[in-house]
Amino acid sequence: QLQLQESGPGLVKPSETVSLTCTVSGGSITSSSYYWGWIRQSPGKGLEWLGSLSYGGTNFYNPSLKSRVTISGDTSRNQFSLKLSSVTAADTAVYFCARLILQHLAHDHWGHGTLVTVTS
Amino acid sequence: QSVLTQPPSVSAAPGQKVTISCSGSSSNIGDNYVSWYQHLPGTAPKLLIYEDDKRPSGIPDRFSGSKSGTSATLGITGLQTGDEADYYCGTWDSGLSAGQVFGTGTKVTVL
Repeated sequence: QLQLQESGPGLVKPSETVSLTCTVSGGSITSSSYYWGWIRQSPGKGLEWLGSLSYGGTNFYNPSLKSRVTISGDTSRNQFSLKLSSVTAADTAVYFCARLILQHLAHDHWGHGTLVTVTS
Repeated sequence: QSVLTQPPSVSAAPGQKVTISCSGSSSNIGDNYVSWYQHLPGTAPKLLIYEDDKRPSGIPDRFSGSKSGTSATLGITGLQTGDEADYYCGTWDSGLSAGQVFGTGTKVTVL
């Protein structure tokens, strides 16, 4: 059964870069049928897509965050990562990693999320 | 921030039915499949509906989806206390907000 698990620092200082990792088990991130992405939920707000990684294809990023977001993969560890630069308090959120089924354009498996708090 | 609009909350008694609307535009709902997600705080969001009206394996038929033009609807019949959660619609936007977009979210309360 496919499982995704986020990991990363719980606290980050303003202006720094936060790095999060999603470890995938039960499936390979190199499959061409899926994209692997990051979605966040700020306190009291809804879901916001950050971007998606595609092996052998094009990565997609949220246009409003594109200049600060980088998503990359490590096939040897079956992981993919998010880097978000120049963070501010507005980036405080629970960050989820998820698998997108390309054929259905739906995220069918999600991690439980990891809280990132931006504070000095 | 979200380009998809949902009602903030809906409620009904156990056993009753609720519907949640998701309003978008021709560049998102009008042009792409809609999916629906259930999210209980502190847990992983769960896919309920994909391709407008299809249910993944394991999702009961109490949950249904439909789409017409630039709007989509999620229906929940036989409401149960375990259905109390936040629900989000999602789709792709082919316009200026190109990429995955989610709705504003709807809190379902079982009275």
